[in-house]
Amino acid sequence: DAGVIQSPRHEVTEMGQEVTLRCKPISGHDYLFWYRQTMMRGLELLIYFNNNVPIDDSGMPEDRFSAKMPNASFSTLKIQPSEPRDSAVYFCASSPLGRGRADTQYFGPGTRLTVL
Amino acid sequence: QKEVEQNSGPLSVPEGAIASLNCTYSDRGSQSFFWYRQYSGKSPELIMFIYSNGDKEDGRFTAQLNKASQYVSLLIRDSQPSDSATYLCAVRAGSARQLTFGSGTQLTVLP
Repeated sequence: DAGVIQSPRHEVTEMGQEVTLRCKPISGHDYLFWYRQTMMRGLELLIYFNNNVPIDDSGMPEDRFSAKMPNASFSTLKIQPSEPRDSAVYFCASSPLGRGRADTQYFGPGTRLTVL
Repeated sequence: QKEVEQNSGPLSVPEGAIASLNCTYSDRGSQSFFWYRQYSGKSPELIMFIYSNGDKEDGRFTAQLNKASQYVSLLIRDSQPSDSATYLCAVRAGSARQLTFGSGTQLTVLP
């Protein structure tokens, strides 16, 4: 079974450009999470979805960030316009509804974003 | 004040020793506790979870939870160089689905 898939793996763009990050969760998982990781701030939750519905977007830093989940197998995180301070590794994770090891979040490989 | 605190390290231990990683949390309503390992340039992966007070063992790893002291720890016995990574403590409150992560402790196991 394939894990969480993210694309692109690396993205270099210039300030002001639109950036779209993509995520395919593990099939059958009910929850999808978007995180951002930087040296200064660590791993921060941006937003999460349950059955394609956004539940908590309080971690989204600004209106420049938006996320969608049009169906159970696809989600996007968009930054428009991008700024150098958005440079980070963005992780997508998915989770089933369960207990124990089924309670965990499975992380994708991440997208390393560099905004020049 | 951060909700989940970890010593950032780096923590260095010799091969074969016990590595002890600590984490404190501020939310008394926290119910679920997780330890993730993250190798440099890779994504976090779950190594342990614990829900109840006491110890939980899985191979060389032991998670310890003390809810009264709001403290969770991870012990790695017979540490190997392959254990060198950053260890992230994560906490979930009540029925919420989101995790709050600590900043991680960087562990180096010296051969």
